[in-house]
Amino acid sequence: QTVVTQEPSLTVSPGGTVTLTCGSSTGAVASGHYPYWFQQKPGQAPRTLIYDISKKHSWTPARFSGSLLGGKAALTLSGVQTEDEAEYYCLLHYGDVQGVFGGGTKLTVL
Amino acid sequence: QVQLVQSGTEVKKPGASVKVSCQTSGYTFTDHFMHWVRQAPGQGLEWMGWISPRNGDTKYAQNFQGRVTMTRDTSINTAYMEMFSLTSDDTAVYYCARGAGGHLGQGTLVTVSS
Repeated sequence: QTVVTQEPSLTVSPGGTVTLTCGSSTGAVASGHYPYWFQQKPGQAPRTLIYDISKKHSWTPARFSGSLLGGKAALTLSGVQTEDEAEYYCLLHYGDVQGVFGGGTKLTVL
Repeated sequence: QVQLVQSGTEVKKPGASVKVSCQTSGYTFTDHFMHWVRQAPGQGLEWMGWISPRNGDTKYAQNFQGRVTMTRDTSINTAYMEMFSLTSDDTAVYYCARGAGGHLGQGTLVTVSS
């Protein structure tokens, strides 16, 4: 069974930069995994921030960026704001477009 | 703009089935897969499967094979997810999500309780 791994929790100071990563038990994450990143705040539905590694939606703040880094998918927040405190989930796709979510990263801003 | 509007809250008894709908607008329904995702209370996101609105092909996560059916009605740009033999473990919010961008519906809470 394929496992997608994320940091359980990270803490960053306001104005700082933080990188969340998303690894695969099958090996290096590549473009063919079409990585997605979702943000979910307490009591709210998740929303997609990044898809296909680095593509953004119109609602995605410019301080969020996606990339492949060291064999993993990465979500970087530059100039973190208190409103970015949330749970972040990555999603990778495998053969036949089968999706697997990571367990989520709880990002604390303080 | 792309919109996915799901059906309302459901309360079911164990052993029953539920069918959740996802009505779409703002794009060509048959151009993109529709995925279904669920989130149990206090838990993370779980990918359930997809349907191709173009030809009805489906792919289900192993955990849901034999217990979930995904269908679509192209005449009304709507996708459906039906789950059978519900247990309390199926209590969750269910989301539809369009492929190629991941636009999400607002979620449908399904509660399974005797």
